[in-house]
Amino acid sequence: TQLLEQSPQFLSIQEGENLTVYCNSSSVFSSLQWYRQEPGEGPVLLVTVVTGGEVKKLKRLTFQFGDARKDSSLHITAAQPGDTGLYLCAGRPTLRSFVFGPGTRLSVLP
Amino acid sequence: DSGVTQTPKHLITATGQRVTLRCSPRSGDLSVYWYQQSLDQGLQFLIQYYNGEERAKGNILERFSAQQFPDLHSELNLSSLELGDSALYFCASSVEGQGFKAFFGQGTRLTVV
Repeated sequence: TQLLEQSPQFLSIQEGENLTVYCNSSSVFSSLQWYRQEPGEGPVLLVTVVTGGEVKKLKRLTFQFGDARKDSSLHITAAQPGDTGLYLCAGRPTLRSFVFGPGTRLSVLP
Repeated sequence: DSGVTQTPKHLITATGQRVTLRCSPRSGDLSVYWYQQSLDQGLQFLIQYYNGEERAKGNILERFSAQQFPDLHSELNLSSLELGDSALYFCASSVEGQGFKAFFGQGTRLTVV
């Protein structure tokens, strides 16, 4: 059983479309992080959300942390081919562990 | 370039062998994290060191061990290798120990044949 579930698993859209991907858990997290990973590369940190209900914006990306701190979403506006990659959420269920979700693989077609 | 250096980039070895993966963290980062990424298991946390001391432990097999040296570089030792150990091994570093701003290296791709 995954501590962090992500949906959808795969997403293929056209350039210019909007999309939302989700990260869910039955556990409460003190913070959640979102990473993007491209083939052959390590994950790159996009954002850390720490407060329930928090919304953070990074250009066309909007991240939200659920009020109960059990879920998070990533919304991309006007997706571009450069947004293609594996989007991973991650968190610390305890002070001595880190967990990653299985990821959403996004493909943005020109 | 994240500033985290991992060597080697690729490694092919036989079952039963032992290998050592090396990680140089970003300058000034005290914390090093090791992860294993495979197609069926995703990204799994193995172990964290902070300023030379083990800080957190995840799903690390007993055949695997790690250490962080006084110059803060870290090594991950994998022994009695099995086919299922084939994976990408990532190292990440952060200045603090909470992993809030962790930078990942490009990984070492280990293939066990």
